[in-house]
Amino acid sequence: KQEVTQIPAALSVPEGENLVLNCSFTDSAIYNLQWFRQDPGKGLTSLLLIQSSQREQTSGRLNASLDKSSGRSTLYIAASQPGDSATYLCAVEWSNYQLIWGAGTKLIIKP
Amino acid sequence: DTAVSQTPKYLVTQMGNDKSIKCEQNLGHDTMYWYKQDSKKFLKIMFSYNNKELIINETVPNRFSPKSPDKAHLNLHINSLELGDSAVYFCASSPGQGGDDTQYFGPGTRLTVL
Repeated sequence: KQEVTQIPAALSVPEGENLVLNCSFTDSAIYNLQWFRQDPGKGLTSLLLIQSSQREQTSGRLNASLDKSSGRSTLYIAASQPGDSATYLCAVEWSNYQLIWGAGTKLIIKP
Repeated sequence: DTAVSQTPKYLVTQMGNDKSIKCEQNLGHDTMYWYKQDSKKFLKIMFSYNNKELIINETVPNRFSPKSPDKAHLNLHINSLELGDSAVYFCASSPGQGGDDTQYFGPGTRLTVL
């Protein structure tokens, strides 16, 4: 069964710290993996998309890595800011073109 | 035990046809949404329903018509399909209580218009 797990479920850190969010998946034959951000009361914002042939993607202070063999992806946020506070979702697309969503990590950056 | 489900998973059709995508949630939520994910993977909200009433209707062609027969269902009907309608459509639901109103997403329906 294809599953996506995100750990931790919640994280609270002081402003300025670098942090890592984790996403693991059960079947390494993925098509791609995406990271999204969800702000309270709002929809999703796409952050990064990593194709199965790629090992990482970077956008500003965000860096996402992919290790298919171990079934893991990490989202690294550098120099965190209060505006980074949100729920971060990982979603994996397998060859059946369906997204399986992780439960998310709720991130709070304390000023 | 799927929380938010969509049918069909894939839909391939010709230009000009009319098609529907169904969404059901078993979470007891009051609010449901439809999103479109374009080729750049950006999600854009299309509609939002709260207790069967339309509360968000973004600028989408009127060929798109949402229908909510009850609180647990929000279907998307598309008339006169065009090539640009090809995308992945996501349904979502949330408790609808404001504030930290987390949305739960379905797996998506991949629509291809030929």
